[in-house]
Amino acid sequence: GAVVSQHPSRVICKSGTSVKIECRSLDFQATTMFWYRQFPKQSLMLMATSNEGSKATYEQGVEKDKFLINHASLTLSTLTVTSAHPEDSSFYICSARTQGGVHYGYTFGSGTRLTVV
Amino acid sequence: QQPVQSPQAVILREGEDAVINCSSSKALYSVHWYRQKHGEAPVFLMILLKGGEQKGHDKISASFNEKKQQSSLYLTASQLSYSGTYFCGTEIAHDMRFGAGTRLTVKP
Repeated sequence: GAVVSQHPSRVICKSGTSVKIECRSLDFQATTMFWYRQFPKQSLMLMATSNEGSKATYEQGVEKDKFLINHASLTLSTLTVTSAHPEDSSFYICSARTQGGVHYGYTFGSGTRLTVV
Repeated sequence: QQPVQSPQAVILREGEDAVINCSSSKALYSVHWYRQKHGEAPVFLMILLKGGEQKGHDKISASFNEKKQQSSLYLTASQLSYSGTYFCGTEIAHDMRFGAGTRLTVKP
């Protein structure tokens, strides 16, 4: 089945530094990937839609200069949290529509737990 | 634009049934259902594409009433492994938005 690989799974960084999260589709091409953020016991909030070869589309209220998204190839999208602060600590998850037709839903990466200290 | 889920939480005994509802204020292209275990990513359960469509596998099934912009997830004869948070996701303009989730706990 389709697999989306996300790295790292956990990261602790100091306030003010930047963190890059990678999301790869392993056995299919994903022209579009989605980035979500999830706070404890809350739902997945769509942050942005990552489009291969073009600019990402950000949701209202998400700072594009803080959450840099790059989708340089059909299998890789990256999210960089710049100048991270403790309030950016969260669970970040990427997803892509699974190839094979509309009946297969979305496949999620395993998520990245970011802790900013 | 997020769908509305109910109930927020359900506690069951093994073998009991549960229904989780999902509704949207906007016309829906599709409804997805996912289950998330604590600390893990959501796992796709099923997608419903047409009004009136019903799907199911094992003892988990779902229906989609396109006219009412609602979907329901049915868990019958629940097992311990069903515990987790269930999210419905709706596709509007080709991006996925999730409900707040329903935390299901199945006890022995």
